[in-house]
Amino acid sequence: KAGVTQTPRYLIKTRGQQVTLSCSPISGHRSVSWYQQTPGQGLQFLFEYFSETQRNKGNFPGRFSGRQFSNSRSEMNVSTLELGDSALYLCASATSVSYNEQFFGPGTRLTVL
Amino acid sequence: AQTVTQSQPEMSVQEAETVTLSCTYDTSESNYYLFWYKQPPSRQMILVIRQEAYKQQNATENRFSVNFQKAAKSFSLKISDSQLGDTAMYFCAFMKPRSDMRFGAGTRLTVKP
Repeated sequence: KAGVTQTPRYLIKTRGQQVTLSCSPISGHRSVSWYQQTPGQGLQFLFEYFSETQRNKGNFPGRFSGRQFSNSRSEMNVSTLELGDSALYLCASATSVSYNEQFFGPGTRLTVL
Repeated sequence: AQTVTQSQPEMSVQEAETVTLSCTYDTSESNYYLFWYKQPPSRQMILVIRQEAYKQQNATENRFSVNFQKAAKSFSLKISDSQLGDTAMYFCAFMKPRSDMRFGAGTRLTVKP
């Protein structure tokens, strides 16, 4: 079974721009969660989608948004990028049964200049 | 709010020896899950071991085992017969059912030949 894939792997943007990151979960997994990883703040939860609905949301500003499609693929969007948005963005997928067993993708490294 | 604390930012161990990574957490919940994740330099997070709070028996996965002390809210990871491939960041994580995962700051483990 293929693992969680994320595209692109690396991204460089400038302040003020917007960016969209993509995550394809493991086949059969309906839950997709997004995390931001930075040296200063560590791993922080952004949001979780399950069956195209946002089920949980972390404490991030409204510039961070996401969605999930009917095939469970998920996208995360960050508008009006700030320097502090530079981070590794990880997505994780889980089944509806073993929702507590999350499988992580390799991440997208976003650099904001 | 649930918090996870890893008090050892860095540790090192000689190959073939045993090392224990510490983790404490704070929660008022009685039903939850605890995890140890490994993040090697390649960045992909890998689940090492998982413990359900309602299970008294400590989880074991090959060379990895945990010491789960529910009353003390402690969840340490023991790695036996350390191998060079165990070099990585190790994250302790807490999760309530159907909620987001909370991570500790991580412990950087170096296995020396």
